[in-house]
Amino acid sequence: EAEVAQSPRYKITEKSQAVAFWCDPISGHATLYWYRQILGQGPELLVQFQDESVVDDSQLPKDRFSAERLKGVDSTLKIQPAELGDSAMYLCASSPWGGQSVNEQFFGPGTRLTVL
Amino acid sequence: QQQVKQSPQSLIVQKGGISIINCAYENTAFDYFPWYQQFPGKGPALLIAIRPDVSEKKEGRFTISFNKSAKQFSLHIMDSQPGDSATYFCAASMDQAGTALIFGKGTTLSVSS
Repeated sequence: EAEVAQSPRYKITEKSQAVAFWCDPISGHATLYWYRQILGQGPELLVQFQDESVVDDSQLPKDRFSAERLKGVDSTLKIQPAELGDSAMYLCASSPWGGQSVNEQFFGPGTRLTVL
Repeated sequence: QQQVKQSPQSLIVQKGGISIINCAYENTAFDYFPWYQQFPGKGPALLIAIRPDVSEKKEGRFTISFNKSAKQFSLHIMDSQPGDSATYFCAASMDQAGTALIFGKGTTLSVSS
């Protein structure tokens, strides 16, 4: 069964350091999302890609966060510098474009970030 | 502004009982309502979803009830099992490709054996 892959699964860093997360969506899925899930809360969208283009990054703290999907396949989310409040689970999701279940999103296992 | 409100925050049910989780939404443009199940350390997994053209959808032991006029929907888990112990999230969005999901805050379900 096709799955969304993410790495690393866990990351511990000190504040002011740079961190990067990687996501490989399900093959053929044109839409890719990065969500942030704070402990005890539901996921919240950070950035959304359609192929290689950013569709929505209105909730991305652009002074420290950046995201790219250069070839329209895998994606990287970067934080520089990390702050204590960035500790959270970072989830990647993908969905196909069109079809019957047009907004069915499939999530990866996430990267648990701890900032010390 | 929280657009999807979920209750209760936590729920304890005996094995074989019925678990009921409720959600309410504000944006009348929403027309896709999925429920996700999340186990500790894992990403959310799609459980069941409904669109407002029907008032109920059933898949196995899981049923979504939808009330468009009240802008509410709920998840019913029949014959709850210990393996159902997880966090459940309702979500809402427009039913079109490339639309971000708006999630509720989640309900932690514990099924006692």
